[in-house]
Amino acid sequence: AQSVTQPDIHITVSEGASLELRCNYSYGATPYLFWYVQSPGQGLQLLLKYFSGDTLVQGIKGFEAEFKRSQSSFNLRKPSVHWSDAAEYFCAVGVYNTDKLIFGTGTRLQVFP
Amino acid sequence: DGGITQSPKYLFRKEGQNVTLSCEQNLNHDAMYWYRQDPGQGLRLIYYSQIVNDFQKGDIAEGYSVSREKKESFPLTVTSAQKNPTAFYLCASSMIVAGPSGANVLTFGAGSRLTVL
Repeated sequence: AQSVTQPDIHITVSEGASLELRCNYSYGATPYLFWYVQSPGQGLQLLLKYFSGDTLVQGIKGFEAEFKRSQSSFNLRKPSVHWSDAAEYFCAVGVYNTDKLIFGTGTRLQVFP
Repeated sequence: DGGITQSPKYLFRKEGQNVTLSCEQNLNHDAMYWYRQDPGQGLRLIYYSQIVNDFQKGDIAEGYSVSREKKESFPLTVTSAQKNPTAFYLCASSMIVAGPSGANVLTFGAGSRLTVL
C-alpha cells in the first residue's frame, strides 16, 4: 500500500540557516509528489509538486525539493529560512488511478531569531 | 476571488448532536474532499466526490455523511455515531486532470474546528 513518512515531527532552526525536511514514500510506480504548508489554524497551501521530468523542482517562497527514486525520497529544502516560514509542512503522494492524496503526519518548523 | 469557503470556523457541539459543516467553492472544480486533522496524525480522508450526486468513502468515513447536490457544495455531517468528533476539518477541491491519476492539485479552505463539550 502507498504511504508517506515524515520522520521529523518537530524541527527548530535559526533564522538565516538552511533547512531540509525529509519525506519518504512507498509506491510501486513513478509517484506524483507534493509539499503543502499550513499556518496555525489555517488551510494548506501548495508549495510545489513533482509529476515527471527534472527531479529538482522549484516552488513558491524560495523552496525547492528533489525527487530521488533510489532513496524513495522527496526532501524539501530552503537555503535561508525566514521567521515567516514557521509553520507545519506536509508531504503527500497521489494515489495511482484515483483522485486521492495520502498525506504524511507533518513536520512542525520553529524558527528562532 | 475564487476559493473555498468553510463555515462555521468554530463550532461547539453537545454529545449526541449531529452537526453539519459547510463547504462551498467557486473554482469550478470537479472534485471535492473532506479531511480530518488531529495533532500528530496528519490529514485523513473522510469522503470525496468526483461528480455531482456521487461520492466515495475515504479512510475514516464511519460516523460521517456527505451530499453533493451541487457542483459548488459538499457539506459534511458529523453524526452522533462519530465517537471522537473533536478535530479540525478541512475541505478541499481540485480539477480532475485526465481521469483518476493521483495528479490532482488540491486547493484547501481555511478549516472548521469542531469541539464536543
